[in-house]
Amino acid sequence: AIQLTQSPSSLSASVGDRVTITCRASQGISSALAWYQQKPGKAPKLLIYDASSLESGVPSRFSGSGSGTDFTLTISSLQPEDFATYYCQQFNSYPLLTFGGGTKVEIK
Amino acid sequence: EVQLVESGGGLVQPGGSLRLSCAASGFTFSSYSMNWVRQAPGKGLEWVSYISSSSSTIYYADSVKGRFTISRDNAKNSLYLQMNSLRAEDTAVYYCARDPGWGYCSGGSCYSGSGVFDYWGQGTLVTVSS
Repeated sequence: AIQLTQSPSSLSASVGDRVTITCRASQGISSALAWYQQKPGKAPKLLIYDASSLESGVPSRFSGSGSGTDFTLTISSLQPEDFATYYCQQFNSYPLLTFGGGTKVEIK
Repeated sequence: EVQLVESGGGLVQPGGSLRLSCAASGFTFSSYSMNWVRQAPGKGLEWVSYISSSSSTIYYADSVKGRFTISRDNAKNSLYLQMNSLRAEDTAVYYCARDPGWGYCSGGSCYSGSGVFDYWGQGTLVTVSS
């Protein structure tokens, strides 16, 4: 099974900071990667699909990049509502879908 | 507005059974594939099962294969998950999640599912404990 490793597992940042989260796949997955945001007690929300395509309604400060085994989610200017846990998810080995372990973004 | 509302969670003993439901509204349910995804307390996300719009294609994660059964009733706009032989490790919040329906092709094979989840319900907690 394809494993996804996210780093860091947590980070502290201030409002206005540029934040980058990394997701590494155990084998090449082309661009078959999505990113989700989850706030405490809430369901995940789709942010990015196909590694770099922004889901409708998601602010443009969110962006995704990468292909093969290395991917990044970037928040260009962190806003108060962005403090949450972020998950990557691969679908290259469809129908066997796997998620990364998550990255918690906390207020510094 | 797309809405997915899960129900049916609760406390069950190991080896017991439970049936989860997901009521859909705000979109043409019969046109979309659906999934169940779960999250153990304080842990990450795990995909559980997929069902195509017509129920013709069904997939399960290895961890639940042979114990869980996904189904749907398009006339009732509802998705179900029958969970049998429950174990402590099945304790989790269970989410129903919609597949956006783009389809996905890889390595010469094409699938009706997209492999991503564009709308999620609020989840229902299943606790397996004696």
